[in-house]
Amino acid sequence: EIVLTQSPGTLSLSPGERATLSCRASQSVSSRYFAWYQQKPGQAPRLLIYGASSRATGIPDRFSGSGSGTDFTLTISRLEPEDFAVYYCQQYGGSPQYTFGQGTKLEIK
Amino acid sequence: EEQLVQSGAEVKKPGESLKISCKGSAYSFTTYWIAWVRQRPGKGLEWMGIIYPGDSDTRYSPSLQGQVTISADKSISTAYLQWSGLKASDTAMYFCARYSQQLGAFDIWGQGAMVTISS
Repeated sequence: EIVLTQSPGTLSLSPGERATLSCRASQSVSSRYFAWYQQKPGQAPRLLIYGASSRATGIPDRFSGSGSGTDFTLTISRLEPEDFAVYYCQQYGGSPQYTFGQGTKLEIK
Repeated sequence: EEQLVQSGAEVKKPGESLKISCKGSAYSFTTYWIAWVRQRPGKGLEWMGIIYPGDSDTRYSPSLQGQVTISADKSISTAYLQWSGLKASDTAMYFCARYSQQLGAFDIWGQGAMVTISS
């Protein structure tokens, strides 16, 4: 079973700053099946990035994804107040296995 | 607008049975997998299982196999998650989500259904 480990657990930043969130897989995963989601309190998760680097419909271009193999990154170039939320990475590894990371909470500093 | 609409919150006692639903609309329900995702209070997302409504092919997370049953009725574009003997540890928010094979991701999510198990 592939395990996704996100870091940091909590990231404290101010609006306007740049956020870099990391997700590391316990073994190599296919970029084709790697995604990032945003979840705000009391809401369902929302797809941000699919295929490791493609933005989902309606997602602002301040969000970008990169990486391959075992190391993936979500970057938010300039934080807006509405970006403070919990972010999850997720991969599909066959079998089937749809694994989520444990989440990174992005909070206002 | 493509969407998934889930049934409402439930409060049950340990040992009781429960079936919650997830209805798809404005898209071809039979050609997308539908997954169920659990989120315990204050915790992260956990994939439970997935069904292809077109032929009811169903796969489960090994850690949850036998504890829940996933089904679908394609005639009414609805997927289900059911328990036959609830436990306190089943207390959680349950989301259904559409899996897009084109995107390789869960692109549409239901609003969630809170299930509370308490004696």
